[in-house]
Amino acid sequence: QKEVEQDPGPLSVPEGAIVSLNCTYSNSAFQYFMWYRQYSRKGPELLMYTYSSGNKEDGRFTAQVDKSSKYISLFIRDSQPSDSATYLCAMRSNYQLIWGAGTKLIIKP
Amino acid sequence: NAGVTQTPKFQVLKTGQSMTLQCAQDMNHNSMYWYRQDPGMGLRLIYYSASEGTTDKGEVPNGYNVSRLNKREFSLRLESAAPSQTSVYFCASSEPQETQYFGPGTRLLVL
Repeated sequence: QKEVEQDPGPLSVPEGAIVSLNCTYSNSAFQYFMWYRQYSRKGPELLMYTYSSGNKEDGRFTAQVDKSSKYISLFIRDSQPSDSATYLCAMRSNYQLIWGAGTKLIIKP
Repeated sequence: NAGVTQTPKFQVLKTGQSMTLQCAQDMNHNSMYWYRQDPGMGLRLIYYSASEGTTDKGEVPNGYNVSRLNKREFSLRLESAAPSQTSVYFCASSEPQETQYFGPGTRLLVL
């Protein structure tokens, strides 16, 4: 079993919909949780990060961490075609990040 | 401000050939990383360098070597390429660890 599980998708939704992306993890020692966005043939870029449990909002994006359930989510409101990308979750363990496999998101105009 | 740069962008090798992937960052970061990304596998850490002069193995170091030439540059060497090393390679740097900045990647095909 992988330490971080993420549904690879693809997830296809119409423009304007609310998108929910999720990861589950097994290591209760994780404290830092990150979401990266990766466009096709590009390197990942940091979207949001949170420390411990709770919510964090940045514009149309909300990151949520539920440590009791070992579950993190990224919500995208008013989704746009430009949000079409692969979204990777990552969690910090000591000196390195442990990555999910990524969910491919497609926003249909 | 170029961020993280990688060369080459694309490379084709024959089994047994060697090559070095170059990475440089201009953000004055202490930490640098080399990852490989394969379909369905996510990003896997090959080697990392917490500071100039230090390197450590990551999850998948076999078949690779690294050199932290100075604070800016971190190279990855394949001594004898194998088809299993066909992948997309990303270099990243960070300060602090959570906010990693990635280069554009090198696509490597080993025949």
